[in-house]
Amino acid sequence: DGGITQSPKYLFRKEGQNVTLSCEQNLNHDAMYWYRQDPGQGLRLIYYSQIVNDFQKGDIAEGYSVSREKKESFPLTVTSAQKNPTAFYLCASSVMWGANYGYTFGSGTRLTVV
Amino acid sequence: GEDVEQSLFLSVREGDSSVINCTYTDSSSTYLYWYKQEPGAGLQLLTYIFSNMDMKQDQRLTVLLNKKDKHLSLRIADTQTGDSAIYFCAENQGSARQLTFGSGTQLTVLP
Repeated sequence: DGGITQSPKYLFRKEGQNVTLSCEQNLNHDAMYWYRQDPGQGLRLIYYSQIVNDFQKGDIAEGYSVSREKKESFPLTVTSAQKNPTAFYLCASSVMWGANYGYTFGSGTRLTVV
Repeated sequence: GEDVEQSLFLSVREGDSSVINCTYTDSSSTYLYWYKQEPGAGLQLLTYIFSNMDMKQDQRLTVLLNKKDKHLSLRIADTQTGDSAIYFCAENQGSARQLTFGSGTQLTVLP
């Protein structure tokens, strides 16, 4: 079955550490997205990529970095520069053609700073 | 940017109907979407409606679209405890080829 997989489900980070969240899709989607969700809040866009080897900053990119070396993969690194990284992180993907490009979401990674 | 607006909370009794409302911004949006998020999970696409439709029904779900007022609603008939979740509406904004999400409505179903 096609889908989008995020790992790990739970991640703990010490102060000053960088951590990388994985996002892999086998839907043959061109576009991929990273969102952050804080308790009781909506989705905030961190980064997105509409084609391999290209990505754009979203609304809250500071303290985060991404790469898009393969169509299937869009890892997110939370750097030590992100001062408040504890949150739920969601990855999504979509097609880049046609008028109906609803997103498919992964199951999320919960990151906690300890 | 412009906002897609939803009320934050809705409580209903089990067996009643729920109506979740959304106001969107882009009159050129071709598709509008409803997503469901259960606790600790990702967003699941519930249904979508094409902009030239006024209504779409899918089992217990009814989507109503008022293009003149840019108003979208999701009605859940015979609401069950398993329907307790956060519901997000989203519109596509064609030129950016991205979805814009509302802030989500927390639906609580009371026994």
